[in-house]
Amino acid sequence: QVQLVESGGGVVQPGWSLRLSCAASGFTFSDYGMHWVRQAPGKGLEWVAVIWHDGSNHFYAESVKGRFTISRDNSKNTLYLQMNSLRAEDTAVYYCARIVGGDFDWLSDYWGQGTLVTVSS
Amino acid sequence: QAVLTQPSSLSASPGASASLTCTLRSGVNVGSYRIFWYQQKPGSPPQYLLRYKSDSDQQRGSGVPSRFSGSKDASANAGILLISGLQSEDEADYYCMIWHSSAGVFGGGTKLTVL
Repeated sequence: QVQLVESGGGVVQPGWSLRLSCAASGFTFSDYGMHWVRQAPGKGLEWVAVIWHDGSNHFYAESVKGRFTISRDNSKNTLYLQMNSLRAEDTAVYYCARIVGGDFDWLSDYWGQGTLVTVSS
Repeated sequence: QAVLTQPSSLSASPGASASLTCTLRSGVNVGSYRIFWYQQKPGSPPQYLLRYKSDSDQQRGSGVPSRFSGSKDASANAGILLISGLQSEDEADYYCMIWHSSAGVFGGGTKLTVL
């Protein structure tokens, strides 16, 4: 069965960096694009970034552009989100999700349980 | 103005129907977009419900019952998630999403209460 397991969350101070991981299993990871979606405590969903199945292309939300980098290692079946210059407003549960469909026409059919990132001094 | 606007809450009775709207910002034409709907229950990640572009271009997720359906109201520039025969298990947050200008965009979500 498809499983996505996020890790790497924690409490950090503003300006610090953190790298999230999403370990995938139960499917051919290299066949699927992936994205990150976050949810601040008590708030709605916010799309963060997407990466093509082969890592050849990626796009970001304006709120994280220039600070976050999405990447993947298909040999390790793992998706990453490198988060730099963290701000209080980045505090959220970060979900990774598998995407299927045409370019910029994807649906997210499987989601991880999420990992909490707290940015606080 | 947000790209997608959803009412923050909606209440309906068991067995009734609920219509959840997702209004696109002026200048973002609902007819051009496939709208994706997700359901999220407390403490759980979102789950894909369905996508809708037209009546002939609609797809429900695996295991999603047929009482969940999509539509559009072009006059209101809105996508609609219709849930018929409401059950207590339908109480959840519902989010619409589109892909717009090379980015994903979620609506703010509607909390559906079944009482």
